[in-house]
Amino acid sequence: GAVVSQHPSWVICKSGTSVKIECRSLDFQATTMFWYRQFPKQSLMLMATSNEGSKATYEQGVEKDKFLINHASLTLSTLTVTSAHPEDSSFYICSARKGWEQYFGPGTRLTVT
Amino acid sequence: RKEVEQDPGPFNVPEGATVAFNCTYSNSASQSFFWYRQDCRKEPKLLMSVYSSGNEDGRFTAQLNRASQYISLLIRDSKLSDSATYLCAVSSNTGKLIFGQGTTLQVKP
Repeated sequence: GAVVSQHPSWVICKSGTSVKIECRSLDFQATTMFWYRQFPKQSLMLMATSNEGSKATYEQGVEKDKFLINHASLTLSTLTVTSAHPEDSSFYICSARKGWEQYFGPGTRLTVT
Repeated sequence: RKEVEQDPGPFNVPEGATVAFNCTYSNSASQSFFWYRQDCRKEPKLLMSVYSSGNEDGRFTAQLNRASQYISLLIRDSKLSDSATYLCAVSSNTGKLIFGQGTTLQVKP
């Protein structure tokens, strides 16, 4: 199997606060995890590659100081959206790499008011 | 030009129909190819990897044409439950997946 969990599944927060999202591979170890964002009716956009034990690699246009990624173990990566604003409201999805395939978590729906 | 392009559709087909989706990619160094299925407000689920020789899984057949840089997905005998968005994804040797915008399929009774 290849099961990936995310927590929380949805969150509503006030503008200016920070939100942490967890991504866990439950039945396998993942040295590499990925964080995506998806706006309504659009495709998944890769935000960053999370590597266990080293710094994340961010895609062009993604602010690393705003989207903090930590991959402290082989089964857990976290994404912290700092000083969230309404335009950060989106569906955040993580994936974990197993071999050449990626398996996705169920996503976290973030709403910033 | 987008790295991975798909016709967004929607494709509206009757039950039992055969439907085909194409996806083109621009990076000739791409190494791995996948089809994912995404239901509304859910995460993508891996449908099938696409191999150079083509591969079949039940009613689903995927093919890869490296020379023309496209992949295809054929669904035979469409079911109502096949209604979803189908995303093609392409990765290079870095393992990063680049997704197309998805093709929406609606199977009608």
